[in-house]
Amino acid sequence: QVQLVESGGGVVQPGKSLRLSCTASGFSFNTYGIHWARQAPGRGLEWLTIVSYDGRIKYDADSVTGRLTVSRDNSKNTLHLQINSLAPEDTAVYYCARGGQHSLPHFIDSWGQGTLVTVSS
Amino acid sequence: DIQMTQSPSTLSASVGDRVTITCRAAQSLSTLLAWYQQKPGKAPSLLIYEASSLQSGVPSRFSGSGSGTEFTLTISGLQPDDFASYYCQQYHSYPLTFGQGTRLEIK
Repeated sequence: QVQLVESGGGVVQPGKSLRLSCTASGFSFNTYGIHWARQAPGRGLEWLTIVSYDGRIKYDADSVTGRLTVSRDNSKNTLHLQINSLAPEDTAVYYCARGGQHSLPHFIDSWGQGTLVTVSS
Repeated sequence: DIQMTQSPSTLSASVGDRVTITCRAAQSLSTLLAWYQQKPGKAPSLLIYEASSLQSGVPSRFSGSGSGTEFTLTISGLQPDDFASYYCQQYHSYPLTFGQGTRLEIK
């Protein structure tokens, strides 16, 4: 079955960077776009970014534009999200999730379990 | 960005009730809207896509309707497992945006 597993969360100091990973299984990873979304404690869902199946097309939310670097390694069914210049308001559970098999906007049909990032000194 | 507005923010209901959650978009989405359910401490899961298409495995008591700028999620005959938070999301254009969520609680 479709499975997405995030890793790399933890406590990080303000101003630092953090790299999260998403490892997929159970589907043809190299044919699907992958999203990242987050949820601050007690708050709603916030969409962050999408990378297309081939890694060539990316879109970001305005709130994180310029602070994200997303890369994917289709040979390892893995995607990485680096977040730079972290601030306390970036504290959240970060989810990777599966999108569509093309570059157009698409709903999310499967989600990972999430990884918690806490930004604190 | 397309702003999504959900109402109500909180909804109290009893087992067996029929409830409706509304989602309004700041511009027309055609039918490019999805609904998700999220239980505490868990990842969201897809309920409805394309405004009214039921995701495989989702009970038929869940239904979606609407087009353009106004959409509804209806749960007919609430079950104990349905008390959770619900989010709409537009996928008409990037950046994708979610509604602020509706928390469905037991009355």
